[in-house]
This record gives sequence, structure tokens and C-alpha cells, in this order.
Amino acid sequence: DAMVIQNPRYQVTQFGKPVTLSCSQTLNHNVMYWYQQKSSQAPKLLFHYYDKDFNNEADTPDNFQSRRPNTSFCFLDIRSPGLGDAAMYLCATRRGMGETQYFGPGTRLLVL
Amino acid sequence: AQSVTQPDIHITVSEGASLELRCNYSYGATPYLFWYVQSPGQGLQLLLKYFSGDTLVQGIKGFEAEFKRSQSSFNLRKPSVHWSDAAEYFCAVVLLPTSGTYKYIFGTGTRLKVLA
Repeated sequence: DAMVIQNPRYQVTQFGKPVTLSCSQTLNHNVMYWYQQKSSQAPKLLFHYYDKDFNNEADTPDNFQSRRPNTSFCFLDIRSPGLGDAAMYLCATRRGMGETQYFGPGTRLLVL
Repeated sequence: AQSVTQPDIHITVSEGASLELRCNYSYGATPYLFWYVQSPGQGLQLLLKYFSGDTLVQGIKGFEAEFKRSQSSFNLRKPSVHWSDAAEYFCAVVLLPTSGTYKYIFGTGTRLKVLA
């Protein structure tokens, strides 16, 4: 089945130790999004790619970076995770001419 | 500024009872409207969406929603709740794109508890 896949589902890292979360999709969608979701809150958009064009939200910390080496994959890099970065990270995709976003299962990040 | 409001943070219903989750938006035109469900520790699953046409839309898992322009609302309903419906529900709107992007504005979510 076509889908959005996130690995790993759970990630534990240490304070200040760089971590990378990955997202892949078999939907061949142009657009990929990264969201941060803290407990009992709505998802917060960090950035998105339209094809290779990167779009950063104004309030996304510099600590968060992203890479999209090809259509299928997108990575979220947290250069120096702080305790406040512990959250669920959601990847979503959207077909270029469509309006609906399709979400992956998320990666829960724990920072020790 | 555009916003989405889900007035009920928590709702508890008995299994078999009817359900209505409220969503109101603030926007000058008709946005695209969505309802997503999120089970604990999971991603968001699309329940239904409204773009235009019939204001009563049917979704998966027996859910439906009605768009009311006059009330700027898009409330989610289910006639008979099942225990497996216990989850968090998010309403989202997408504003007409200004730069080719479709950004969601999410409500704060409603957590549904179902009593056996």
C-alpha cells in the first residue's frame, strides 16, 4: 500500500547530541511537511518542501534543519536537542495539485 | 487573523450514544475543511474533508460533518459511538494558497473518552 513511513517510531537521544529522523513516502507526492507535536497540542508546522524548494516557518528554531535528497525521502535534523524538543514529530505529504495532507505515524523523540 | 476553534477540550460519551464535536473557523472566505483523528501514539488519519458542493459530507468510520457557512462551523457527528472511537480529533482548515502552498491551520483538538 502507498503510504508515509517514519523511522524510527521511537528515538531516544541525549541532551545536545545530534539526531536525525527520517520520512519516506511511496505516494510520489511533491510536497513534504515536518510538524512538531507536543503533548495535548495541535501539530506545529516546522517546514515544508515543494519539490526541492525549502520553506521554513518563521518561528522554527535554527536548531532544526531538513534535507530532501529525492522525492521519496525527507530528513529532520536536530543539531543540539534540548529537553524542550522532546515531542512527537510528524511527517506529511501532499500531491502538488491537491489539498489533502497524508500523515505518517510519527516519531516520538525523548531527550535525556 | 485566521483561526480555528474547537471549544471542547475533552468530551466523554457512553458507548452507543451520539456524538458531536464542534469546530469554528475565522476566515473571510470559505476555506477547505478537514477532520483528522489521532489515536494515542499515532499519526493523524483523515476522517473527511469539505471543499465545495453538498454541505453534508460523509467520512470513514461512520462519521459525517456539516458545513454551515452562516455559522462558520464544520461540526463532526457520529450517531452511535464505539469504544474504538476514543482518540483525539483535530479540525483543520486550509487557506486558499497565496504561493502555491496549502498550509493547515489546526484547532487545538478535542479528546474523546468513551465509557463502556
